[in-house]
Amino acid sequence: SAVISQKPSRDICQRGTSLTIQCQVDSQVTMMFWYRQQPGQSLTLIATANQGSEATYESGFVIDKFPISRPNLTFSTLTVSNMSPEDSSIYLCSVYESDVSGANVLTFGAGSRLTVL
Amino acid sequence: LAKTTQPISMDSYEGQEVNITCSHNNIATNDYITWYQQFPSQGPRFIIQGYKTKVTNEVASLFIPADRKSSTLSLPRVSLSDTAVYYCLVALGGYNKLIFGAGTRLAVHP
Repeated sequence: SAVISQKPSRDICQRGTSLTIQCQVDSQVTMMFWYRQQPGQSLTLIATANQGSEATYESGFVIDKFPISRPNLTFSTLTVSNMSPEDSSIYLCSVYESDVSGANVLTFGAGSRLTVL
Repeated sequence: LAKTTQPISMDSYEGQEVNITCSHNNIATNDYITWYQQFPSQGPRFIIQGYKTKVTNEVASLFIPADRKSSTLSLPRVSLSDTAVYYCLVALGGYNKLIFGAGTRLAVHP
């Protein structure tokens, strides 16, 4: 299965600063997804990152706050801009791949845990 | 995208069979049903996927009745390591975005 590496794995940030999270996949993928998981909550889809085009954002998420880059088929970044304590979450990168049964399934990175003070 | 409803939490004991039922009344004809498992501090992990009837793999079974408005994830003989959150999702097959519901927190006790 695909190996997804995220950096940083965790960070503590100051209010008003920005942080860029990197997602590296060991194979070429067309679509990459960025999710947010707030403490004790389920996952919320932030945006879909396609190579060669602008990311598609879900309702409640905007490019100015969460700019995304997708320079090639194995890499993407998510920036959390002008952070506030409400942005304290785990941010997860994911990609689709086929498992042994032929199902298309999402594979996730381990996540990047951000704490904003 | 079809909405799913699951129990918020369940408790079980080691060695028991656990069945988690998910309701998806407005599932579309082309939707697949997929279950994920998430441990603390990890991303969700795929468990099983099905379209109709029954699907079984090495870790679980998925039962889907003919009307497909619900599905049941069955975990045989759970152990303490099965303590996790389990998510039921329905979505078109292929490379489409997946929306996660609240999930079911399963606690397995000694």
